[in-house]
Amino acid sequence: GAGVSQSPSNKVTEKGKDVELRCDPISGHTALYWYRQSLGQGLEFLIYFQGNSAPDKSGLPSDRFSAERTGGSVSTLTIQRTQQEDSAVYLCGSGTAPLSNYGYTFGSGTRLTVV
Amino acid sequence: RKEVEQDPGPFNVPEGATVAFNCTYSNSASQSFFWYRQDCRKEPKLLMSVYSSGNEDGRFTAQLNRASQYISLLIRDSKLSDSATYLCVVNRVYNQGGKLIFGQGTELSVKP
Repeated sequence: GAGVSQSPSNKVTEKGKDVELRCDPISGHTALYWYRQSLGQGLEFLIYFQGNSAPDKSGLPSDRFSAERTGGSVSTLTIQRTQQEDSAVYLCGSGTAPLSNYGYTFGSGTRLTVV
Repeated sequence: RKEVEQDPGPFNVPEGATVAFNCTYSNSASQSFFWYRQDCRKEPKLLMSVYSSGNEDGRFTAQLNRASQYISLLIRDSKLSDSATYLCVVNRVYNQGGKLIFGQGTELSVKP
């Protein structure tokens, strides 16, 4: 597709369950970011992938959060034993390089609600 | 202190007004700069990159002052459709990676 695709667009889950969020970046983009945005808040960095380099996981809030990127393309963000404070919009963005003057394109996000 | 700081607003302006947003960043290793726009309950979308020499795109002008670590966005002849939250974004590259740091955003409301 032409843009970054995220699925599902909405997810309601019970507290304690695991969830998987998927991101399909723009073809050829080597840089991939995950952010989350709580209601009325700014974007919080979670994790960054660049090519075959080790990912920057410094933003993951706890060991319940993990992410992988297979084949340098699709990425999955997994949240185990979800808590109510995990409720947020999870945004994935991709770009051509770590340093790019062309910016990064974001998907429309996955709205996660933990009840 | 946040790494990227913006005036949260909101800025309430009439149509046709000129409005300026300011942003400061604290890390001198920051290497590229952007303004993004985010509509309510939508994803952020790139508005424009910001270059050291300053750059203009129609009614929008962006300026960067590396010495002062300051970025600005000027919107001239504002339209109702400009109502959104404007995000200042700084790209800090380190080792072989990079990190986009977002400001909290400045909310703009353009009224008829």
